[in-house]
Amino acid sequence: GEQVEQRPPHLSVREGDSAIIICTYTDSATAYFSWYKQEAGAGLQLLMSVLSNVDRKEEQGLTVLLNKKDKRLSLNLTAAHPGDSAVYFCAVSEDQGGRALIFGTGTTVSVSP
Amino acid sequence: EAAVTQSPRSKVAVTGGKVTLSCHQTNNHDYMYWYRQDTGHGLRLIHYSYVADSTEKGDIPDGYKASRPSQENFSLILELASLSQTAVYFCASSEGTSAETLYFGSGTRLTVL
Repeated sequence: GEQVEQRPPHLSVREGDSAIIICTYTDSATAYFSWYKQEAGAGLQLLMSVLSNVDRKEEQGLTVLLNKKDKRLSLNLTAAHPGDSAVYFCAVSEDQGGRALIFGTGTTVSVSP
Repeated sequence: EAAVTQSPRSKVAVTGGKVTLSCHQTNNHDYMYWYRQDTGHGLRLIHYSYVADSTEKGDIPDGYKASRPSQENFSLILELASLSQTAVYFCASSEGTSAETLYFGSGTRLTVL
């Protein structure tokens, strides 16, 4: 079955710097890619999602890149600020149904002033 | 705003005891899910349901039962709690099979002693 690896497990950056999180997956049939953010003591919230026909998507200081050849998904937090401190998860599936979502292991991002 | 509420927020249980975790959603969503979060494993799907009075097994159902008595409520039941079931449990809901977004509750931290 699908295997998802996420790295790094921890990431510390200064305010204004970029932070990049990478997920690699194994199933070439994977068609749906998403990133979730978990703030302390809270549940996960969807940040962005893309389908397999999209290589790049930018929204509100976040950039998602999808490299289907290398089976690699990345999230770039450009100009990070302390409010970005959280745990980030990638989640992928062959379809858009939540029951099929496979989550990465999470990256704890700490942004210092 | 979508709302998924879980109770209790935390619980300490004894090995061999029965534990019930509750989830209530006001989103009018058909799909509800129970995930388990462990350090180094991301989130793993335990059970899900797409209609009241019916539940389906997820990826790690052993040792867990689920109940969906109504569209709004979804419970996770540990009949004989074990040490290995110490984890954070998340409930989530989504509109349906084509839904892109899972809406998560804030989680229940379960400690089995």
